[in-house]
Amino acid sequence: DQQVKQNSPSLSVQEGRISILNCDYTNSMFDYFLWYKKYPAEGPTFLISISSIKDKNEDGRFTVFLNKSAKHLSLHIVPSQPGDSAVYFCAASARDNYGQNFVFGPGTRLSVLP
Amino acid sequence: NAGVTQTPKFQVLKTGQSMTLQCAQDMNHNSMYWYRQDPGMGLRLIYYSASEGTTDKGEVPNGYNVSRLNKREFSLRLESAAPSQTSVYFCASVRVLDNSPLHFGNGTRLTVT
Repeated sequence: DQQVKQNSPSLSVQEGRISILNCDYTNSMFDYFLWYKKYPAEGPTFLISISSIKDKNEDGRFTVFLNKSAKHLSLHIVPSQPGDSAVYFCAASARDNYGQNFVFGPGTRLSVLP
Repeated sequence: NAGVTQTPKFQVLKTGQSMTLQCAQDMNHNSMYWYRQDPGMGLRLIYYSASEGTTDKGEVPNGYNVSRLNKREFSLRLESAAPSQTSVYFCASVRVLDNSPLHFGNGTRLTVT
């Protein structure tokens, strides 16, 4: 069973509007959450993260919200730009006896239309 | 600063052939990982190495072996390639002292015919 879910395979948004990407997780041991952006033929690049002790983290146009009770996080991009068009992966992390484990969702393809 | 470097970028194999995917990082990271990306499946963990000298299986280890050659290098070997191993392979590394993000290489696109 998928531990990290992104239920929207794709999302289209007009330039200048807000993009909201959602992610749900099932394992309550996850304590660190990340968003990655991926362009074709490149590796995923880190965008923003949040620790489980916080409920919001901002970095410029990007804000991540965490609702621990609902096991839900979201990424807000405001304003959206055509260069934001990419696949976005949500990831959740937990430490165990062997190190730090990162589990990824299936991704959401964002298209920002000019 | 190169970050995480993967070679080769592309490879085509016939069923039954073997190959090794190379990965090196220059960030002095402790842990290294191999993921595969398939459409609709996201990134799935094949193997990881929490520290030099240790390796552990991830979600989809069958058909693969790994070697943590030293702190910098972590290789992934396919002993007898199968069409189901057609995928894009990503190596990643992280400094495991605090909450830090994974850093990824640019991937190896492998096709097995």
